[in-house]
Amino acid sequence: QQQVKQSPQSLIVQKGGISIINCAYENTAFDYFPWYQQFPGKGPALLIAIRPDVSEKKEGRFTISFNKSAKQFSLHIMDSQPGDSATYFCAASKRTGGSYIPTFGRGTSLIVHP
Amino acid sequence: KAGVTQTPRYLIKTRGQQVTLSCSPISGHRSVSWYQQTPGQGLQFLFEYFSETQRNKGNFPGRFSGRQFSNSRSEMNVSTLELGDSALYLCASSLDPGLAYTQYFGPGTRLTVL
Repeated sequence: QQQVKQSPQSLIVQKGGISIINCAYENTAFDYFPWYQQFPGKGPALLIAIRPDVSEKKEGRFTISFNKSAKQFSLHIMDSQPGDSATYFCAASKRTGGSYIPTFGRGTSLIVHP
Repeated sequence: KAGVTQTPRYLIKTRGQQVTLSCSPISGHRSVSWYQQTPGQGLQFLFEYFSETQRNKGNFPGRFSGRQFSNSRSEMNVSTLELGDSALYLCASSLDPGLAYTQYFGPGTRLTVL
């Protein structure tokens, strides 16, 4: 059972455009929602994260929108750049045994054409 | 400050063998988590260690095990390797996993089972 569903699987955007990646979760016990960026040959790196008591969080060109009632959240990349080309993972975390344990989406491969 | 380091970076083994992967967390970080990344299943949580104790374990068979040493360095072991164990194994460290989600990933060990 896939607890975090991510779409689309791949995305091609022109430079300067907006990239939008969506995730949906099922377990209402999740209470922390990070997004990770992964370049080839590297491990994932935390990009931005949000808690369910906030509907939107913005950091530079990256914005998370969160809809608690719909159990959905999305990542918006404004003014997309070729350097943003990477794989993006959403995750939903819940506190277990004193730690936040993430469940990841399957990832979105983003290509930004110059 | 040095990041999370993993050794070796690449490994080729045959079915039935066992393998040990090593992870050195960021200095001062006491929590180490391990993940398996495959094209088919995505990123999946294996286990988490904090102060030499396994605090959480994912849904993997007992062939997958790990440990953490007093200096926070961690090893994971996979016994009786199967073809399906071919994956990128990622280690992540955090200062305090019970607070904000601040996991830092290493570059991973690419394991190929022939």
